[in-house]
Amino acid sequence: TQLLEQSPQFLSIQEGENLTVYCNSSSVFSSLQWYRQEPGEGPVLLVTVVTGGEVKKLKRLTFQFGDARKDSSLHITAAQPGDTGLYLCADGSGNTGKLIFGQGTTLQVKP
Amino acid sequence: DAGVTQSPTHLIKTRGQHVTLRCSPISGHKSVSWYQQVLGQGPQFIFQYYEKEERGRGNFPDRFSARQFPNYSSELNVNALLLGDSALYLCASTSRTGTNTEAFFGQGTRLTVV
Repeated sequence: TQLLEQSPQFLSIQEGENLTVYCNSSSVFSSLQWYRQEPGEGPVLLVTVVTGGEVKKLKRLTFQFGDARKDSSLHITAAQPGDTGLYLCADGSGNTGKLIFGQGTTLQVKP
Repeated sequence: DAGVTQSPTHLIKTRGQHVTLRCSPISGHKSVSWYQQVLGQGPQFIFQYYEKEERGRGNFPDRFSARQFPNYSSELNVNALLLGDSALYLCASTSRTGTNTEAFFGQGTRLTVV
């Protein structure tokens, strides 16, 4: 069974700081997704990466997929309070449509 | 278009009772998945249904069951509730592109078992 480990588990920073969160797997991903979940809401898909070495940007968010497709990172530049939430990585490459999630990184951005 | 809708949003039940949670997927989506999210953890897969048939099942006891209706809405049933069943239950419309699954989640049902 594939395990996804995310680090750090918790991150509390000031507005304007940069940060990086990581997602590592025990095996190769065919594809990897990042979601953000705000309190009281369901996760919202941010991005899907499929190619080793791929880099995708979404405004101040930069997503990178490792060359070996076993790890990924999410970098946020100049964090804002609206970035606060739980960031989840997930493997969506199973045949049954099942998503395997990491335990998430809880980010708090203080004004 | 409406997104994924779940009902109820909050629910309090007593140990031993049963509960039914409901989900309507995005219009046109034929696949629905259910996840359990315990506080501080990522969602755990419970079931996936496609065209009214079960296509996947996670590591949950037989007290958990689900079904999908002809209009693609779905119900999740949990019998003999335990305190440990307290969690956020998420429903997702899922779509597959090649080998990738992408999920669009509802806001969840917060179940508290006392």
